[in-house]
Amino acid sequence: AQSVTQLDSHVSVSEGTPVLLRCNYSSSYSPSLFWYVQHPNKGLQLLLKYTSAATLVKGINGFEAEFKKSETSFHLTKPSAHMSDAAEYFCVLNKDTDKLIFGTGTRLQVFP
Amino acid sequence: NAGVTQTPKFQVLKTGQSMTLQCAQDMNHEYMSWYRQDPGMGLRLIHYSVGAGITDQGEVPNGYNVSRSTTEDFPLRLLSAAPSQTSVYFCASSYSGMGSEAFFGQGTRLTVV
Repeated sequence: AQSVTQLDSHVSVSEGTPVLLRCNYSSSYSPSLFWYVQHPNKGLQLLLKYTSAATLVKGINGFEAEFKKSETSFHLTKPSAHMSDAAEYFCVLNKDTDKLIFGTGTRLQVFP
Repeated sequence: NAGVTQTPKFQVLKTGQSMTLQCAQDMNHEYMSWYRQDPGMGLRLIHYSVGAGITDQGEVPNGYNVSRSTTEDFPLRLLSAAPSQTSVYFCASSYSGMGSEAFFGQGTRLTVV
């Protein structure tokens, strides 16, 4: 069965320090994986996606993620956090052509 | 360029009442879906549609109905609201196929008392 596990429910960083949000997946075939961001009281916005092309994927706002098949991971990183990065982040697996499986989310706090 | 539009943004219902959450998209997407978001559980799929006239159940369909008479619209009906349906509801649409970006509405915050 396909599934997504986000390893941290909360992550706190200081502004200007690196961000690491961890995601592991389980899939019986080569998956499509996404990271979405949700700012407070807003809808979800796509940060980046992996669809079996380059394993290092660059997204918006300086975020990137690396697909590692051997570790079944798709961790999200950013070299330097900004206050505006404070939000909830979802790792998402594309199951079949029309169903998305969401992780439980990681809330990122950024302190000045 | 409206994208995915959900109405209403907020709603309070009494137990047993029925209502319809509206969702419309103007991107000519074939795929549309409804999710509910509960704390600590991510988003869970309620119902989805792969095109006009075709709908199917997701992970948590009980207590909800959908129909898809046009490509643009995908309403979600609560038949008899229960407190367990208190949640934030999101509608999403995507073009087609694996790896397509899903576009989300702003959400409907529903409270059932």
